[in-house]
Amino acid sequence: DTEVTQTPKHLVMGMTNKKSLKCEQHMGHRAMYWYKQKAKKPPELMFVYSYEKLSINESVPSRFSPECPNSSLLNLHLHALQPEDSALYLCASSRIQENTEAFFGQGTRLTVV
Amino acid sequence: GQQVMQIPQYQHVQEGEDFTTYCNSSTTLSNIQWYKQRPGGHPVFLIQLVKSGEVKKQKRLTFQFGEAKKNSSLHITATQTTDVGTYFCAVAVNSGYSTLTFGKGTMLLVSP
Repeated sequence: DTEVTQTPKHLVMGMTNKKSLKCEQHMGHRAMYWYKQKAKKPPELMFVYSYEKLSINESVPSRFSPECPNSSLLNLHLHALQPEDSALYLCASSRIQENTEAFFGQGTRLTVV
Repeated sequence: GQQVMQIPQYQHVQEGEDFTTYCNSSTTLSNIQWYKQRPGGHPVFLIQLVKSGEVKKQKRLTFQFGEAKKNSSLHITATQTTDVGTYFCAVAVNSGYSTLTFGKGTMLLVSP
């Protein structure tokens, strides 16, 4: 199984809502990532989890709260988002080793209204 | 951090024509990866280049890493409509992880 599964595929939320994005992989990868991709732009790294611990936070606003409950799951909790946070949120996973590729999920397309 | 400049931003070709996208860095890169993202899709890993002067081929796709490890290219021979998408080069900026910094991408359109 070489898939990274993200749910939901689409999400519309109001600025006062709380929602969560979910990501799952069963490749035994111990590094998991959240990337954000705006339209016609490249993905930008948000967070990295290594062995279920947060290892990199790319100065992401606190209205985004990641969580890694176990080695297969990664969540992104959303609260009080702004319309400019509308984007494609991509989860990825990889082995922890030199020169390793990332496996991306299909993404959650988020619209904040 | 490491940055890669990618050109062109956009290219529209007729089916059967060749296509090339280029990535350049002002610093020496430890490796470079290439991803393809179809319209409405997600990035899919194509290849990784590590060695100076490395050339790798996948069917009609040829990937090169410069001798100085500061530039890379992806060349598609005889494009097909299935080649449509955005091609990104990317550099892993943290050793041991896929913490990728992407180039801006080249969007390829292929007309039948």
